[in-house]
Amino acid sequence: DVKVTQSSRYLVKRTGEKVFLECVQDMDHENMFWYRQDPGLGLRLIYFSYDVKMKEKGDIPEGYSVSREKKERFSLILESASTNQTSMYLCASSFRDREYFGPGTRLTVT
Amino acid sequence: EDQVTQSPEALRLQEGESSSLNCSYTVSGLRGLFWYRQDPGKGPEFLFTLYSAGEEKEKERLKATLTKKESFLHITAPKPEDSATYLCAVLSNYGGSQGNLIFGKGTKLSVKP
Repeated sequence: DVKVTQSSRYLVKRTGEKVFLECVQDMDHENMFWYRQDPGLGLRLIYFSYDVKMKEKGDIPEGYSVSREKKERFSLILESASTNQTSMYLCASSFRDREYFGPGTRLTVT
Repeated sequence: EDQVTQSPEALRLQEGESSSLNCSYTVSGLRGLFWYRQDPGKGPEFLFTLYSAGEEKEKERLKATLTKKESFLHITAPKPEDSATYLCAVLSNYGGSQGNLIFGKGTKLSVKP
């Protein structure tokens, strides 16, 4: 069974803090993704990576960066958290076009 | 521009009352259409992949169908545990070899006993 784990289920940070969200998958998948999910807006792609050290911008990359130093780990970084980044963050990995999602991190920025 | 629209936004059913959820799409070359179920506060859980018009997939009380313009998720005799948000996503050929996965906003299904 594919497993995608995220470092935290709930996170509360202050405006201006640097925030790291970690995602790990255990199935040697090449592709990994970060989404955010907001009511009424659905899932929106922030960044994705198709190989170690490779990254591509998604639809809403502003205010975010990513890091993929190892195949199994994909990190999302909020350089200076803002209140409009309060959201549910979902990580996914994919194999044969099918995406497997982690449990999500509910981030609140105050 | 590629688009995915799900309807209705919310659906309330009585237990045993069958119905269908709709996912209509316009994409430049369909590679696959996916249905996911998402429970509150959790990540989406994969249900089905459909690749070509006329294809159907079934799992317990759920059946997904695909035409060239839309997909339906039919729910037969639903139970309260089927309550969830159902997401449709379309993978198009736009964006090179990785494709471009576009999600609909979901249909929130509530099944009352």
